[in-house]
Amino acid sequence: DVKVTQSSRYLVKRTGEKVFLECVQDMDHENMFWYRQDPGLGLRLIYFSYDVKMKEKGDIPEGYSVSREKKERFSLILESASTNQTSMYLCASTGADFSYEQYFGPGTRLTVT
Amino acid sequence: AQRVTQPEKLLSVFKGAPVELKCNYSYSGSPELFWYVQYSRQRLQLLLRHISRESIKGFTADLNKGETSFHLKKPFAQEEDSAMYYCALDSGGSNYKLTFGKGTLLTVNP
Repeated sequence: DVKVTQSSRYLVKRTGEKVFLECVQDMDHENMFWYRQDPGLGLRLIYFSYDVKMKEKGDIPEGYSVSREKKERFSLILESASTNQTSMYLCASTGADFSYEQYFGPGTRLTVT
Repeated sequence: AQRVTQPEKLLSVFKGAPVELKCNYSYSGSPELFWYVQYSRQRLQLLLRHISRESIKGFTADLNKGETSFHLKKPFAQEEDSAMYYCALDSGGSNYKLTFGKGTLLTVNP
């Protein structure tokens, strides 16, 4: 079974703090994604990575950055957290096997106060 | 640019009734379409994809290119079908990037 894990289920941070969200997958997948999930807005892609050290902006990259130093790990960074970044963050991965299926982590619910 | 529209935020039906969750897409090429589901306190997971033309948990979805739709249907809803459903589109390319709709919360009442 593909397993995608995220470092925290719940996180509370203060405005202005630097926040790191970690995601690890164990299936040697090339592609990894960060989404935020908000009621009424669905899933919105923040960033994705198709290889180590490679990244591309998604639909809402402002206020975020990412890091992929190893194939299995994809980190989302909030340089200076703001209250409008309070959300559920989902990580996903998929391999180059033409199945198109994205495998999701359990999510991190981030609250910025 | 591609777009996925799910017109209903909420859908409530009674157990045993038919259910249809609507999905329309906007894309000029040949899309790959999917339905993902998130049950309460579980992670988001793939329900079905149009290319496999399969029925999963009694659900089916047919791609209608003329109407640019990919509606999800089940003839007899069960309480355990209550969940958030997302329609998603893959526009091709090598990165397997998906565009998701805003989701429909289905509640099946006893």
